[in-house]
Amino acid sequence: GEQVEQLPSILRVQEGSSASINCSYEDSASNYFPWYKQEPGENPKLIIDIRSNMERKQIQELIVLLDKKAKRFSLHITDTQPGDSAMYFCAASACPEGADRLTFGKGTQLIIQP
Amino acid sequence: NAGVIQTPRHKVTGKGQEATLWCEPISGHSAVFWYRQTIVQGLEFLTYFRNQAPIDDSGMPKERFSAQMPNQSHSTLKIQSTQPQDSAVYLCASSLAGHQDTQYFGPGTRLLVL
Repeated sequence: GEQVEQLPSILRVQEGSSASINCSYEDSASNYFPWYKQEPGENPKLIIDIRSNMERKQIQELIVLLDKKAKRFSLHITDTQPGDSAMYFCAASACPEGADRLTFGKGTQLIIQP
Repeated sequence: NAGVIQTPRHKVTGKGQEATLWCEPISGHSAVFWYRQTIVQGLEFLTYFRNQAPIDDSGMPKERFSAQMPNQSHSTLKIQSTQPQDSAVYLCASSLAGHQDTQYFGPGTRLLVL
């Protein structure tokens, strides 16, 4: 089955700077890549996603890049704020019928330092 | 919209006992997913229903775990003869129709097996 690797596991950045999280996947059939943010004691919440027909997507301070050839995708948070501190998970899923399950990376603990 | 509802929020059970976890998807959503979250393994897919029919149970341990969706408004995950390694947060998610629609997660059930 699909495997998703996520790095780094912990990321500390200064408030106002950018943060980047990188993920790679193995299954070339994967074509949907969501990112979830999880705060302590809370459920994961979708913050942005990208499909394989796109290379870049931006929602406000969130930018997702997808390199299908390299089987890599990444999340970039610009102008980080204290509220961005949380766990972030990347995920992948494939198109074939019934393959809607998400395979998650192990997560990145993002710490915004004042 | 109440979101995905999961009950109980916390469950403590003794080794060898049975645990039943409940999930009520968002009204109108036809796809229901179960995931398990632990510190070590992260977020793991367990099983998936669409229109109450089981679609993919490839993540379910073959012994002791079972899931059902008797009607469109709830799904259950049952763990028989619970073991300490079953301790985890069990997350239910629903989406409009599967097919890579956004998955909305419930608050989870934190299961502790003593």
